[in-house]
Amino acid sequence: DGGITQSPKYLFRKEGQNVTLSCEQNLNHDAMYWYRQDPGQGLRLIYYSQIVNDFQKGDIAEGYSVSREKKESFPLTVTSAQKNPTAFYLCASSRPGNYEQYFGPGTRLTVT
Amino acid sequence: KQEVTQIPAALSVPEGENLVLNCSFTDSAIYNLQWFRQDPGKGLTSLLLIQSSQREQTSGRLNASLDKSSGRSTLYIAASQPGDSATYLCAVNTGANSKLTFGKGITLSVRP
Repeated sequence: DGGITQSPKYLFRKEGQNVTLSCEQNLNHDAMYWYRQDPGQGLRLIYYSQIVNDFQKGDIAEGYSVSREKKESFPLTVTSAQKNPTAFYLCASSRPGNYEQYFGPGTRLTVT
Repeated sequence: KQEVTQIPAALSVPEGENLVLNCSFTDSAIYNLQWFRQDPGKGLTSLLLIQSSQREQTSGRLNASLDKSSGRSTLYIAASQPGDSATYLCAVNTGANSKLTFGKGITLSVRP
């Protein structure tokens, strides 16, 4: 059963702590993406990776970091430098090129 | 910079009605356009992908059209059902590393 998994579903952290969100896919897709969704706003791209060991900043990369050591995995770290980290985070993947993107179930992060 | 607009933000219709959801974009140089469905607190489900060379795509009761020159797409839902209640998002791929630009979505409520 192919798909994208994100864990955990809900995450609570204190201000000033770094936190890592997991994203795993078994679709054999080369490209992976991280988006952030806030109420009343469209999804915004944080980081994307077209291939293992390579990634690029999206529109709102400040305060975030990623790694892409394996094709199946693209973890996102929300650092203490991110001013408004509370949001719904969505991971996606696709074949390389301009193909359909598939999304995971999301992680809701709350920072207090 | 590509901008994607979906108006209205919310729509309520009685069950059985045929309806059209609109999406407009400012830059017609797109590779494809994707329509998604999002249920509350969930990830995105891909509904239809239209390549820039195509005029429309159909899946069951859904039909999406694309008019690149005028910067418009519509999602037609036939014989709406309460189970169609969700937020519908439109996203355009401008080809810059397959980056998607999203609209803010239309929240549809189908009344029994």
